[in-house]
Amino acid sequence: EVQLVESGGGLVQPGGSLRLSCAASGFTFSSYWMSWVRQAPGKGLEWVANIKQDGSEKYYVDSVKGRFTISRDNAKNSLYLQMNSLRAEDTAVYYCARENDFWSGLYYYYMDVWGKGTTVTVSS
Amino acid sequence: SSELTQDPAVSVALGQTVRITCQGDSLRSYYASWYQQKPGQAPVLVIYGKNNRPSGIPDRFSGSSSGNTASLTITGAQAEDEADYYCNSRDSSGNHLGVFGGGTKLTVL
Repeated sequence: EVQLVESGGGLVQPGGSLRLSCAASGFTFSSYWMSWVRQAPGKGLEWVANIKQDGSEKYYVDSVKGRFTISRDNAKNSLYLQMNSLRAEDTAVYYCARENDFWSGLYYYYMDVWGKGTTVTVSS
Repeated sequence: SSELTQDPAVSVALGQTVRITCQGDSLRSYYASWYQQKPGQAPVLVIYGKNNRPSGIPDRFSGSSSGNTASLTITGAQAEDEADYYCNSRDSSGNHLGVFGGGTKLTVL
């Protein structure tokens, strides 16, 4: 079964750090771009960051640049998100997702596998 | 950066057809993908590409695209289709950033 399972969420004070993990199974993890998506309470989905198959390219939404770092360990089939200098506005459910991106007339881009999410709460 | 714009809310009578739209410059280069999210659950991919449904998604869901606008159509809406729907695409900057629309709350009357 294709599966993504996030962990590492919790309550952290403003300015603190947290490391999220995402364990992948049931597919060849090293063949896919992977991403983190978050959802603040009562709000919509926000794309946060993604990473290329070999980790050589990483992209971030402006609001987390310089504070969050995405990484992966293909030997462990795992995706990570190191979150530093956390702010109240980072409070959200964080999902990891598998990306697909290819060209066929137009570019196809979609996230076909999602984890159930892990909750991060930044509060004093 | 790029933005995708969706209507915040749409309603449809049970069994009728509803279209949810998504506008953005990046949609001239990328097909939108569409996700259904019910309260307390993770998003589920319902449409990707030109008009592709993942396994298990009912055929009442379909997608289309024209210019900078993508549409998700539900033909014969069911009570269980009541949910939030999000469109998604790459950013139009040329880098591999992603972007989501603000979401559309679908109410089935």
